[in-house]
Amino acid sequence: GESVGLHLPTLSVQEGDNSIINCAYSNSASDYFIWYKQESGKGPQFIIDIRSNMDKRQGQRVTVLLNKTVKHLSLQIAATQPGDSAVYFCAEKLAGTASKLTFGTGTRLQVTL
Amino acid sequence: ETGVTQSPTHLIKTRGQQVTLRCSSQSGHNTVSWYQQALGQGPQFIFQYYREEENGRGNFPPRFSGLQFPNYSSELNVNALELDDSALYLCASSPELGGETQYFGPGTRLLVL
Repeated sequence: GESVGLHLPTLSVQEGDNSIINCAYSNSASDYFIWYKQESGKGPQFIIDIRSNMDKRQGQRVTVLLNKTVKHLSLQIAATQPGDSAVYFCAEKLAGTASKLTFGTGTRLQVTL
Repeated sequence: ETGVTQSPTHLIKTRGQQVTLRCSSQSGHNTVSWYQQALGQGPQFIFQYYREEENGRGNFPPRFSGLQFPNYSSELNVNALELDDSALYLCASSPELGGETQYFGPGTRLLVL
């Protein structure tokens, strides 16, 4: 069935260190994955996405890695800053399901000074 | 800011009442999706509208209904409110049908007493 799970509900990282947020998905028919950042009281904010025909994609300070063999997705944030503190969601889209995204429960990233 | 706006920001209703939530999509975006986000959970897909027609629906009962207007703005209507309907309701727009990247608004916080 459709499910997107996250390994760690809370991740604490020191400012300046790199953060790695992991996500497992169960549906091999998913063809698109996306990471969102959600700050308290706000809607999810797009960070980066990746299609299933890729295994890595880089943005500004962020990298998404996709391992289809083990159905695993990760978000790497370089030089983590206090402004990165938020809940991070991964979401997947099944091929042929228009734009329906299936979200996991989220990982809270806490950046300590 | 994504350019997606929602109104109202907060709302309190009682069980059995009806509610209408509104969303204005980002300029140039013709596809609107609605999600329900319970506290501490990831967003759950309700339905999607494209060119004023429903295009995909999640596991929500018929008392959740919607509309899309010629200017691509959208409404979410919920009848016979239940306590479990208390949640953050998110609207997301995308530039085309099948465009996976969805841009979210700030949401409407609904509390049902």
